[in-house]
Amino acid sequence: QQQVKQSPQSLIVQKGGISIINCAYENTAFDYFPWYQQFPGKGPALLIAIRPDVSEKKEGRFTISFNKSAKQFSLHIMDSQPGDSATYFCAASPYGGSQGNLIFGKGTKLSVKP
Amino acid sequence: KAGVTQTPRYLIKTRGQQVTLSCSPISGHRSVSWYQQTPGQGLQFLFEYFSETQRNKGNFPGRFSGRQFSNSRSEMNVSTLELGDSALYLCASSLTGSNYGYTFGSGTRLTVV
Repeated sequence: QQQVKQSPQSLIVQKGGISIINCAYENTAFDYFPWYQQFPGKGPALLIAIRPDVSEKKEGRFTISFNKSAKQFSLHIMDSQPGDSATYFCAASPYGGSQGNLIFGKGTKLSVKP
Repeated sequence: KAGVTQTPRYLIKTRGQQVTLSCSPISGHRSVSWYQQTPGQGLQFLFEYFSETQRNKGNFPGRFSGRQFSNSRSEMNVSTLELGDSALYLCASSLTGSNYGYTFGSGTRLTVV
């Protein structure tokens, strides 16, 4: 019940295309869902996050879609660029993220081809 | 402002040895959390320290321990190293312990041979 399942494991997208990464969770106590971006040799960096009171959140080219009834959420990267090539992790946490640890998905390695 | 600093960046140790990793949080941050990152298991939570007290602990054996000093700097120790302990160890700091305020360091890459 503590798991967050992420798919696909890897993704290749052409420049200008849409990248879509999906995550699913079981624990209904989770109420904070961030996405992290990690480049080689660096730690993860927060990209965008959502709480279950909204179904979608957009920041620039990055959008989270959230389906509370299905316990699924996804990251959409519009107009994907080679600089977006990185590993993306979804995560979940209880208490609105105000305490406790993050439960991470296994990651998706995104390659954007020029 | 300076980010989260982890030292050393790389370590090679032999099975059975022990190792100590260091994390200096962002100035003013009182919470430090540690995560282990491996290709097979991904990112897994080790423990969190807040104001020198361990507040939360993940599902790791007792060989993994940590502490936090009065200046919020934290160390984690792994004793009796096993090959499976080879991983990237990441620390994240936040002001109050909220994980939405996490800033991760670049990690320490530990290789056990």
